[in-house]
Amino acid sequence: NAGVMQNPRHLVRRRGQEARLRCSPMKGHSHVYWYRQLPEEGLKFMVYLQKENIIDESGMPKERFSAEFPKEGPSILRIQQVVRGDSAAYFCASSIRGASEQYFGPGTRLTVT
Amino acid sequence: DAKTTQPPSMDCAEGRAANLPCNHSTISGNEYVYWYRQIHSQGPQYIIHGLKNNETNEMASLIITEDRKSSTLILPHATLRDTAVYYCIVNGASGYALNFGKGTSLLVTP
Repeated sequence: NAGVMQNPRHLVRRRGQEARLRCSPMKGHSHVYWYRQLPEEGLKFMVYLQKENIIDESGMPKERFSAEFPKEGPSILRIQQVVRGDSAAYFCASSIRGASEQYFGPGTRLTVT
Repeated sequence: DAKTTQPPSMDCAEGRAANLPCNHSTISGNEYVYWYRQIHSQGPQYIIHGLKNNETNEMASLIITEDRKSSTLILPHATLRDTAVYYCIVNGASGYALNFGKGTSLLVTP
C-alpha cells in the first residue's frame, strides 16, 4: 500500500533555472494539495487540485509558479526562473475527497544556488 | 476557520502519557478538530480528528470538552519516536487548506 510519493527528494537549481517537482498520490486518491515550508517556518498551503482541474490556487505566488494534475501521471509543481527565496521543502498531500484528512509525502527539498 | 492556541513546547518521559492541549474558543458548530504531527524533516502525519465526541485510534486519543472550546491529544505511552511538532487544526467539514500554525514541540526523554 504505497503512500504519497514525491520525487526528486532533493533538487538543486541555479538561479534562473526551472524546477519541476512531482507527486504521485496514494492509490484511490484523486485530490492533491501542495504546501511549502520555508526554513524555520510553518507549512503554508499553496494549491489544491483534482484530476485535470485546479480547485484553489490562492496560496500560490502569482508569478513563476504553476501546478497541474493531468488525467494520467503525477501532479507537477513547476517553478520557473527560480530565485534563492524559493529554497524550501515542498510537500504534497492527497486525500480521497476534498477534506482535511490528508496524507503527506516525504517532501522535495529545493535548494537554489 | 477558528484560531487555535497551543503551548510552544512540552516534555514527556518515555513510557508516560503525553497530553497535548489545544484551545479553540472560537470554533463553530460544524468545524472539526484535526491533529497532525511532523517528525523532524519528514512530511506531516495525520493523527486523528473529531467533532464533539471523544475519538480513539491506534495512534492516539482525542478528548474534546463539552463546550468544544478546547481539546487534548493523548499519546498513551510515549516513545522516543513520538518526538515531533504536533499541530492542532480546526477546519470545516469541506475545508481542505490546513493552517499548521506553530504547533507544540514535544520532546520525549529516556
